[in-house]
Amino acid sequence: GAVVSQHPSWVICKSGTSVKIECRSLDFQATTMFWYRQFPKQSLMLMATSNEGSKATYEQGVEKDKFLINHASLTLSTLTVTSAHPEDSSFYICSARGPVRETQYFGPGTRLLVL
Amino acid sequence: GESVGLHLPTLSVQEGDNSIINCAYSNSASDYFIWYKQESGKGPQFIIDIRSNMDKRQGQRVTVLLNKTVKHLSLQIAATQPGDSAVYFCAENIENAGNMLTFGGGTRLMVKP
Repeated sequence: GAVVSQHPSWVICKSGTSVKIECRSLDFQATTMFWYRQFPKQSLMLMATSNEGSKATYEQGVEKDKFLINHASLTLSTLTVTSAHPEDSSFYICSARGPVRETQYFGPGTRLLVL
Repeated sequence: GESVGLHLPTLSVQEGDNSIINCAYSNSASDYFIWYKQESGKGPQFIIDIRSNMDKRQGQRVTVLLNKTVKHLSLQIAATQPGDSAVYFCAENIENAGNMLTFGGGTRLMVKP
């Protein structure tokens, strides 16, 4: 149980395009989902907290207009990187708070490369 | 600010030996701790957790120890296998901070055959 999926797992795009990443909780309902960014050999950096049916809460320094988050249902949250640039290239990971309220279960990650 | 940190960035062990990965935390209000394993190119995988009212919890081949006196957390892996090679993160949760997780910097475990 507590499986989280992400799609796509790998995306390459041209600078200036927008990329949407989906995060789904497959076997449980997640009222809260989280989006992280991870650079090589570094820890996870929380970008935003997404609550179903309400606006996401962004961490300091994260541009809300750049990283659009939508949490339309209890099993789906999306992150859209708008007008992506090479510096947005990174590993994006989502997590969902599972049946045990404090535990977060992570998706497999999405690697974004902006050319 | 307060944070979770790790003592060793890299740990190299012989296959079959026991591994101990350490983590120090500084927030005395932390009430729940989780260890995650992250393999290259993958998302973190939940390993084991422990609440602040416990000092030890065992799983399959893994044991987490919590010493609240010195704010120290450790992950012990018995009979380490090549498949255990990964980066291990500890994370702390503070209930009165909205149940947010704060991650340590990670320790890379390398298992030598």
